[in-house]
This record gives sequence, structure tokens and C-alpha cells, in this order.
Amino acid sequence: QKEVEQDPGPLSVPEGAIVSLNCTYSNSAFQYFMWYRQYSRKGPELLMYTYSSGNKEDGRFTAQVDKSSKYISLFIRDSQPSDSATYLCAMKGTNAGKSTFGDGTTLTVKP
Amino acid sequence: DVKVTQSSRYLVKRTGEKVFLECVQDMDHENMFWYRQDPGLGLRLIYFSYDVKMKEKGDIPEGYSVSREKKERFSLILESASTNQTSMYLCATRRTNQPQHFGDGTRLSIL
Repeated sequence: QKEVEQDPGPLSVPEGAIVSLNCTYSNSAFQYFMWYRQYSRKGPELLMYTYSSGNKEDGRFTAQVDKSSKYISLFIRDSQPSDSATYLCAMKGTNAGKSTFGDGTTLTVKP
Repeated sequence: DVKVTQSSRYLVKRTGEKVFLECVQDMDHENMFWYRQDPGLGLRLIYFSYDVKMKEKGDIPEGYSVSREKKERFSLILESASTNQTSMYLCATRRTNQPQHFGDGTRLSIL
């Protein structure tokens, strides 16, 4: 079983919808959590970086961490066609440690 | 902005060739990483380096080697390319205690 599980989708939503992307993990030592966005034929781009439990907001994006449930989420409000991409979650146990990545969820936002 | 430059976006090589993939960063980051990304398998760590001339094996080092002679440059070497090394190769860098930043990848085809 993988340490980090992420539903691959694909997920298709209409423009303006609220999108929820999720990852579950099994390693209770993970404390640092990241979300990356990857457009086709490009490298992953860091979107959010959070430590421990709680919420972090950046514009239309909100990252949520629930360590008790070993569950993290990325919410996208007012989704746009330009949000169409693959979203990868990643996590690590220490700030200097190696990251473990989910396999990514492919999102399409339709105009 | 962090800039991670991979020398080639697309590369086609023949079985048995020695292949060099180059990665250069301009942010004086200590840590550099090489991943490969395959559909259904996600991101897999090949090698990483936390300092000049230092290297550590990742999860799938077989068939690869690396070189880091200067802080800004991290090279991935396929000693004798095989068809199962056809993949998207991603370089990432980070400052210690920070998240990774990725280059745009090299799509390598081995014929």
C-alpha cells in the first residue's frame, strides 16, 4: 500500500464551481504538506506549503490539513479553465526530509 | 523567483547510449533532486544531493548515476540507456527546510 493515496480522477467541473482535491496518508510522522500544480508538458509548480494541522488560504486556494484523520485537501473557489491541470499532493516528516508524492489528480474546468 | 533549467525539453537516444541530463539552478540551493515521472507510477526519486560532490540514492537508482561538481549543476547519467528508461525526467531544487521547486522536465525517448 502506498504511503500517500490520491484519487487520479479525472475530475471535470463547470467554470465557477468549488473544487475539492484530497489525499490520504498512512505515515503519522508527516508534518509538512504541499500542493503542486502541473500543466501538461511542464514541471510541477508549488501552490501551497503548510505545516501541521489547520487551514491556509492564498487567493482562491485553501489548503486544509487534518492530521488526526491523516487527510489533506485543496479547495479551489470560483474555478477557472486555467485551473485545468494535474494536482499533486506531497508531504514530508521533517523540514529537511525527502518528500513523498501522491500520483496526482487530473482536473478539467469547462467554460 | 526560483529558476531551475533543464538542458533539453525533448531528447531521443538509442539503446546502449550513454545519456547525460543536465540541471542548473540559480538560487544557491543546497539540495538537488532527480525524479522520473511515469503514468500510473507518479514521481519516483532516482538520486539526490545535499551538497557539492555529495549524492544519495533514492528509490530507483539502478541504471543511473549522478554528478555534482558545482553547487548550481546536477547531472543525471544513464550509463547504458534502455527502453524502460523512456520517461519524463524532472529536476528539483530546494533550500534546506523549504519545499522543492521543479524544472520543466526532459521528455526522454530511448529507441
